[in-house]
Amino acid sequence: GENVEQHPSTLSVQEGDSAVIKCTYSDSASNYFPWYKQELGKRPQLIIDIRSNVGEKKDQRIAVTLNKTAKHFSLHITETQPEDSAVYFCARTSGTYKYIFGTGTRLKVLA
Amino acid sequence: GAGVSQSPSNKVTEKGKDVELRCDPISGHTALYWYRQSLGQGLEFLIYFQGNSAPDKSGLPSDRFSAERTGGSVSTLTIQRTQQEDSAVYLCASSPRTGGSFGETQYFGPGTRLLVL
Repeated sequence: GENVEQHPSTLSVQEGDSAVIKCTYSDSASNYFPWYKQELGKRPQLIIDIRSNVGEKKDQRIAVTLNKTAKHFSLHITETQPEDSAVYFCARTSGTYKYIFGTGTRLKVLA
Repeated sequence: GAGVSQSPSNKVTEKGKDVELRCDPISGHTALYWYRQSLGQGLEFLIYFQGNSAPDKSGLPSDRFSAERTGGSVSTLTIQRTQQEDSAVYLCASSPRTGGSFGETQYFGPGTRLLVL
């Protein structure tokens, strides 16, 4: 189907530990995979994205990996901090207008 | 430049009333999207505009919902005869749609929180 499966739905980690969120998809035409962070009461904001022509992208403590063969992509946050606590959404699109979002992961970083 | 803006930020209305929500996309962005986000839930696609045209209205929940876009810029989402189940945050997003083969980033507005009593 066109849905994006996102896991886990909730994730609690100790401050300083790593957090990993995984999304899977089935449409092999998908070629762009953004990740959004939504803090409570705020708008979703792009934190990192990856195109299908690369396998990994990193920006400071945040990285995204893409496995096109297995059709999954993951968000990795290292050295987590309390301000990383938020809901994270993955999404995919195939170059058309249609963006399909995952159901979200609520990340809690425990101080 | 300025980001996506939406108004009002909050709207409380009585069941049966009509409401109009407004979105101002980033200047020059040709693609505009409306989403609905119920409390603690994900993003539900409502409608997509490319310029002033809406090639995909498939996400509109019922015929009480309509949207338009004028001048390739501002968009309004209208909900007629509001129901309590319409209570949610309505998010607008825009993207450049430069026509490349890859998807492009969507930039979201702050949303309108609608409460139907």
